[in-house]
Amino acid sequence: GNSVTQMEGPVTLSEEAFLTINCTYTATGYPSLFWYVQYPGEGLQLLLKATKADDKGSNKGFEATYRKETTSFHLEKGSVQVSDSAVYFCALENKAAGNKLTFGGGTRVLVKP
Amino acid sequence: KAGVTQTPRYLIKTRGQQVTLSCSPISGHRSVSWYQQTPGQGLQFLFEYFSETQRNKGNFPGRFSGRQFSNSRSEMNVSTLELGDSALYLCASRLTGETGELFFGEGSRLTVL
Repeated sequence: GNSVTQMEGPVTLSEEAFLTINCTYTATGYPSLFWYVQYPGEGLQLLLKATKADDKGSNKGFEATYRKETTSFHLEKGSVQVSDSAVYFCALENKAAGNKLTFGGGTRVLVKP
Repeated sequence: KAGVTQTPRYLIKTRGQQVTLSCSPISGHRSVSWYQQTPGQGLQFLFEYFSETQRNKGNFPGRFSGRQFSNSRSEMNVSTLELGDSALYLCASRLTGETGELFFGEGSRLTVL
């Protein structure tokens, strides 16, 4: 079946530090990959996505590259801000599984000024 | 454009009771999905509806049910509540039933005492 594994948090960083959140997946076929972000008290928002191997998704300074050879989709940002404090979820969607999202456990990121 | 609206936002029930949660998708969106979010199990898929038909169902007991109306609004019902049903229930909508960005509501937080 499908599964997503991401690094556990919390991850605590200082402002302007480099952020990496690791995400690996197991899936049949060719899934689409996503990063969602959940700010305190809010629902999930799509941060970025990639639909095929070697695609790079990017948004708000965040990037992630779909690596089929390593089944990974690591999230990176070069210089984080306090406003990036949130919980980040890696997810995959697979037509073979009926287009439902399979999420990782989430990684809480806390950026300190 | 209004986002996904979920009601109620917070509710408290006791074991054995039942609960109905409501979700109004973004105007024009025909697909509605429901997810359960708990600290222990993370985000888990409940079911998806498209044009009033259930298209996909997660691994939850029959106490969890849902439906979708002709205006795409959706409800989910949990009967005979258990303590373990305490969770944030998230609704998400998208334009069609195919792969595409899911837009999430802020969720309904259910506490079972």
